Amino acid sequence: GQSLEQPSEVTAVEGAIVQINCTYQTSGFYGLSWYQQHDGGAPTFLSYNALDGLEETGRFSSFLSRSDSYGYLLLQELQMKDSASYFCAVYSNKFYFGSGTKLNVKP
Amino acid sequence: EAGVAQSPRYKIIEKRQSVAFWCNPISGHATLYWYQQILGQGPKLLIQFQNNGVVDDSQLPKDRFSAERLKGVDSTLKIQPAKLEDSAVYLCASSLRGGGDTDTQYFGPGTRLTVL
Repeated sequence: GQSLEQPSEVTAVEGAIVQINCTYQTSGFYGLSWYQQHDGGAPTFLSYNALDGLEETGRFSSFLSRSDSYGYLLLQELQMKDSASYFCAVYSNKFYFGSGTKLNVKP
Repeated sequence: EAGVAQSPRYKIIEKRQSVAFWCNPISGHATLYWYQQILGQGPKLLIQFQNNGVVDDSQLPKDRFSAERLKGVDSTLKIQPAKLEDSAVYLCASSLRGGGDTDTQYFGPGTRLTVL
């Protein structure tokens, strides 16, 4: 089966850096994606890693280590609007999502 | 470019009643997905269509749930009869190509279902 573990909640202050970890167990792994979902909103795609290493997109970066079955999302220069839930998802012939990490950004 | 449209946005029904949700994907997108998202959890794939064919429905409770995508565009998801545990947000998503790992999914706003 597939399983993904991520922290349920993280709190950080505006302007800080926060890292959201995701560990996974899956067969037939292709890649790790990250999605952002504001309360009451639709999930929106943030990033995708198929290979080991760091991918940077503006204030957001995502990292993957296939040998460790581990990845993380790094958010820099946190803004209040970054308060949302963040989901990691693995692709193994279809997408499996983690339970999400609720990020609270405080002033 | 218009996004994924879903209706209704909210629905309240009593258990054992029937309900249907509608989704209109982004124009030209070949693949359409229905997800169930229970409060506090991540989305769970129920069914995936490529054009009007089913790619995966392994997690669809087929005794009560059904879905169709006639003409490879719009889709409907039906629950009959509903149970209390079906209370969730039902998300529709679409992607341009065949739904592989690099095929970005675009989600609609969802339908929030409450079963009393």
